Amino acid sequence: DAGVIQSPRHEVTEMGQEVTLRCKPISGHDYLFWYRQTMMRGLELLIYFNNNVPIDDSGMPEDRFSAKMPNASFSTLKIQPSEPRDSAVYFCASSLDALTGRETQYFGPGTRLLVL
Amino acid sequence: RKEVEQDPGPFNVPEGATVAFNCTYSNSASQSFFWYRQDCRKEPKLLMSVYSSGNEDGRFTAQLNRASQYISLLIRDSKLSDSATYLCVVNTHGSSNTGKLIFGQGTTLQVKP
Repeated sequence: DAGVIQSPRHEVTEMGQEVTLRCKPISGHDYLFWYRQTMMRGLELLIYFNNNVPIDDSGMPEDRFSAKMPNASFSTLKIQPSEPRDSAVYFCASSLDALTGRETQYFGPGTRLLVL
Repeated sequence: RKEVEQDPGPFNVPEGATVAFNCTYSNSASQSFFWYRQDCRKEPKLLMSVYSSGNEDGRFTAQLNRASQYISLLIRDSKLSDSATYLCVVNTHGSSNTGKLIFGQGTTLQVKP
């Protein structure tokens, strides 16, 4: 049974370049979350979707970040232009629901991004 | 003030020791509580949910004190394989079918032989 799939697993890019991170949630999960993790700030929620619709994007740092979910099995997080301070591990997670008892989130393996 | 606060540690303990982690949360409307575990360079994974009555899963015991807005995790007879970062997680539901998990910074445990 496939879990959450993320690609690429590692990305090294130069400042100013566009970066696109991809995520395939677990089939049947209605919620998809994008997180960023750094040593300084821990795990931060960037945005989450319910049934492909963005619900809360208050964690998106600035206009350079955008996320889409064109269908139930695919989401992207794009950074344009990238900056060195965007270097972090980006996790995608999915859950069945947000209601009590069904809100366990399953995380993908993450994308390690390094912006030089 | 952070919504979920944990002592980052690290906690260095010998094998077989009992160790306890604490966590406080600021939103009294929080409804669901969890401990996640994150191994080095891996993704977080659910360890256990935390119920008001307290719950146990093998060597792990979780407690919730709503009045004090305090959550704890007790690990008995610690193993080398318990070495990881333990994340305290709180879910505050908004309107129906909304809600997001708020993660603490994590407490690092290192179990030594």
